[in-house]
Amino acid sequence: GDSVTQMEGPVTLSEEAFLTINCTYTATGYPSLFWYVQYPGEGLQLLLKATKADDKGSNKGFEATYRKETTSFHLEKGSVQVSDSAVYFCALGGADGLTFGKGTHLIIQP
Amino acid sequence: GAVVSQHPSWVICKSGTSVKIECRSLDFQATTMFWYRQFPKQSLMLMATSNEGSKATYEQGVEKDKFLINHASLTLSTLTVTSAHPEDSSFYICSAHMGRLRGEQYFGPGTRLTVT
Repeated sequence: GDSVTQMEGPVTLSEEAFLTINCTYTATGYPSLFWYVQYPGEGLQLLLKATKADDKGSNKGFEATYRKETTSFHLEKGSVQVSDSAVYFCALGGADGLTFGKGTHLIIQP
Repeated sequence: GAVVSQHPSWVICKSGTSVKIECRSLDFQATTMFWYRQFPKQSLMLMATSNEGSKATYEQGVEKDKFLINHASLTLSTLTVTSAHPEDSSFYICSAHMGRLRGEQYFGPGTRLTVT
């Protein structure tokens, strides 16, 4: 079945540092890929998405590229802010709906 | 666009009572709604999938008689936790699918249920 593997945190960075959160997947067919963000005590917000190979999703300075050859969808941001502190979920959209990774807790220190 | 609300945002109830949680899509019609449960510091666990006008499809291990789901319209789904017990305490999150991009869901803000 479909599965998503992402690095588990917590990941602690200083403000303005470069961020990479790794995400790899296994799936049948041609899934869509998503990154969701969850702030403390809240539901999930769609951060970005990509629907096919080589697509790049971007939003709020975050980017991720759908790499079919490496089955990856790594999340990157060039300069993180304290307000980016949250839990980030990589997800795969397949025939049965969304399959989530376990989430990566990101902590940005001033 | 694509806003999903949940009500209540938090609720405390006594053991043995029932609690209803509402999930509404505010600015679109949702062909399918999903209910998730999230334990502290863990990922979301899909409980059930509901389509408007039909019975919900429950994931393995989820008691359908305990977690009653009703999807009466294209903008409203409800989850009722019947005869709640302390182990039902959790964060419940709903999401809605607009029927376009496969897997793209819009999430509600969640409901924190505490059973005493």
